[in-house]
Amino acid sequence: EPEVTQTPSHQVTQMGQEVILRCVPISNHLYFYWYRQILGQKVEFLVSFYNNEISEKSEIFDDQFSVERPDGSNFTLKIRSTKLEDSAMYFCASSEDNKTNVNTEAFFGQGTRLTVV
Amino acid sequence: DAKTTQPPSMDCAEGRAANLPCNHSTISGNEYVYWYRQIHSQGPQYIIHGLKNNETNEMASLIITEDRKSSTLILPHATLRDTAVYYCIVRVALRSQGNLIFGKGTKLSVKP
Repeated sequence: EPEVTQTPSHQVTQMGQEVILRCVPISNHLYFYWYRQILGQKVEFLVSFYNNEISEKSEIFDDQFSVERPDGSNFTLKIRSTKLEDSAMYFCASSEDNKTNVNTEAFFGQGTRLTVV
Repeated sequence: DAKTTQPPSMDCAEGRAANLPCNHSTISGNEYVYWYRQIHSQGPQYIIHGLKNNETNEMASLIITEDRKSSTLILPHATLRDTAVYYCIVRVALRSQGNLIFGKGTKLSVKP
């Protein structure tokens, strides 16, 4: 069964450093997303990406965040200058663009645990 | 997107049906009911969705009341692996289904 893969599974970084979280969405999917979940809290939407541009973003997704699809397979989330409060599990998701059925499910990866020290 | 209300936790005996309720009294006519679950901090997993008719797939059944103000997710024969947080989400169906707003969900504990 196709799946969304994320690397690394765990990343530790020092405050102020830049981090890049990587995701390989399912190959025929066209919509890509990042979510995060701070320990013990809700899963929060960050950003959606379609046709090489951001289609929607939440208030959390401020100027220190950026996303990119550098090639035909990877989808990345960059945090420019990490803060302690960026420590969370980050989930990538993807969904297909099925023109005959608007109800396409989102598939989530297993997440990258980011720890900022 | 309409707000949903779910009990914070439920228990279920292994092998029995798990019935997880969700209230969405402000749901609009063009909003669907989706269910996802999250097993121990893994990525959320899609279960099922529906508009007004009852739906069934290999994982679960979704029963939506006639007025659409509430719904019930049914896991017909719960196993220990079904222990997870279950999220009921109401949203307008668009081509991109990924912009999901998660609440706190119901923590289902399946016990031997």
